[in-house]
Amino acid sequence: DAGITQSPRYKITETGRQVTLMCHQTWSHSYMFWYRQDLGHGLRLIYYSAAADITDKGEVPDGYVVSRSKTENFPLTLESATRSQTSVYFCASSELGGPSYEQYFGPGTRLTVT
Amino acid sequence: DAKTTQPPSMDCAEGRAANLPCNHSTISGNEYVYWYRQIHSQGPQYIIHGLKNNETNEMASLIITEDRKSSTLILPHATLRDTAVYYCTRHSLNSGYSTLTFGKGTMLLVSP
Repeated sequence: DAGITQSPRYKITETGRQVTLMCHQTWSHSYMFWYRQDLGHGLRLIYYSAAADITDKGEVPDGYVVSRSKTENFPLTLESATRSQTSVYFCASSELGGPSYEQYFGPGTRLTVT
Repeated sequence: DAKTTQPPSMDCAEGRAANLPCNHSTISGNEYVYWYRQIHSQGPQYIIHGLKNNETNEMASLIITEDRKSSTLILPHATLRDTAVYYCTRHSLNSGYSTLTFGKGTMLLVSP
């Protein structure tokens, strides 16, 4: 099915473990984004990618690593998970990066770090 | 988003029009006004956006005042499935990338 998917949808992990959240889109959109959503902070940008092999930091990148070897995939890795990274993570994509291009969001991954 | 102001909650009867206001008095000339919504436990969903002119699509209409300091999202015939948090946001170019910032939004409750 066309769209943007995320996996896993729910994840519980322990402090210090490495975790990778997957994001896949079928539209061949150039731009992809990772956000986290927390109560009291709204939606905050972690990393974005303008194209394959081009990534850059957003507002809250510390503790996260991204890669984009293929246009359709944009995995987010927590190298050593901390409790403060407990959150709901959303992946999004847009055709291009300018302000006139809307973003389409995935269903989210709810991550709990114990 | 501290740059937009929305009422925290609104009620609407099913079948009636829902008019959701947003104040964005400090918006700059090249910033688009965007509306997204988030149904419980789902990802944000794009609704509509505009720069200066009023816009309409299959989901909603967007009315932007002439001075661009405020806008209204109109859902012409609200259904129970329109119950969600509605976010008014500004889409800016920031250090070379386009960023979305969501504030607290308006919780719209559509009742039978």
